[in-house]
Amino acid sequence: AQTVTQSQPEMSVQEAETVTLSCTYDTSENNYYLFWYKQPPSRQMILVIRQEAYKQQNATENRFSVNFQKAAKSFSLKISDSQLGDTAMYFCAFMKQGGSEKLVFGKGTKLTVNP
Amino acid sequence: GAGVSQTPSNKVTEKGKYVELRCDPISGHTALYWYRQSLGQGPEFLIYFQGTGAADDSGLPNDRFFAVRPEGSVSTLKIQRTERGDSAVYLCASRFDRNQPQHFGDGTRLSIL
Repeated sequence: AQTVTQSQPEMSVQEAETVTLSCTYDTSENNYYLFWYKQPPSRQMILVIRQEAYKQQNATENRFSVNFQKAAKSFSLKISDSQLGDTAMYFCAFMKQGGSEKLVFGKGTKLTVNP
Repeated sequence: GAGVSQTPSNKVTEKGKYVELRCDPISGHTALYWYRQSLGQGPEFLIYFQGTGAADDSGLPNDRFFAVRPEGSVSTLKIQRTERGDSAVYLCASRFDRNQPQHFGDGTRLSIL
């Protein structure tokens, strides 16, 4: 079974600064995807970024980028130029390719961006 | 609407009652998922539908939980003889095809008194 660990229950950052959220996972699979989802108080899970395990290049989406270290099973999220609207819970998730392709989530990191 | 719709937004009921939670996926999305998110936790998988059939129900905690998707679109999650431990946010997600991201609804917050 796969597990996802987010070791930082809470983080805070000043507006316009950079913050990195950590995630590690455990799997014996070779073909999988990794995701970061954002969950504001509205409860909706919003996809921030995804990474295919077979790709060595780290994914980027505007101010969001990841540091994917496959051998270390590490998948951190870097948010640059933090904005007040980035305040939310952030969840790291694992998805094995094939089968049901269900998501396995970590416990989340609560990020607060301070003005 | 363009997104996944879940109703009701909130549901409060007494222990022992029966509840139904509804999910209307994005039009054309063949895959539908239910997850449960307890307070302070990440979502946990319950069940996966491909079309009308439940292709993976390995996450359902016990036989009080059941879900259907009779026409391959709207799904209903049914919980019998509710217990206080069933209190959680129930999230629904859908996706168009394999290797495509799942799109989530706003969830139903279920509170069992």
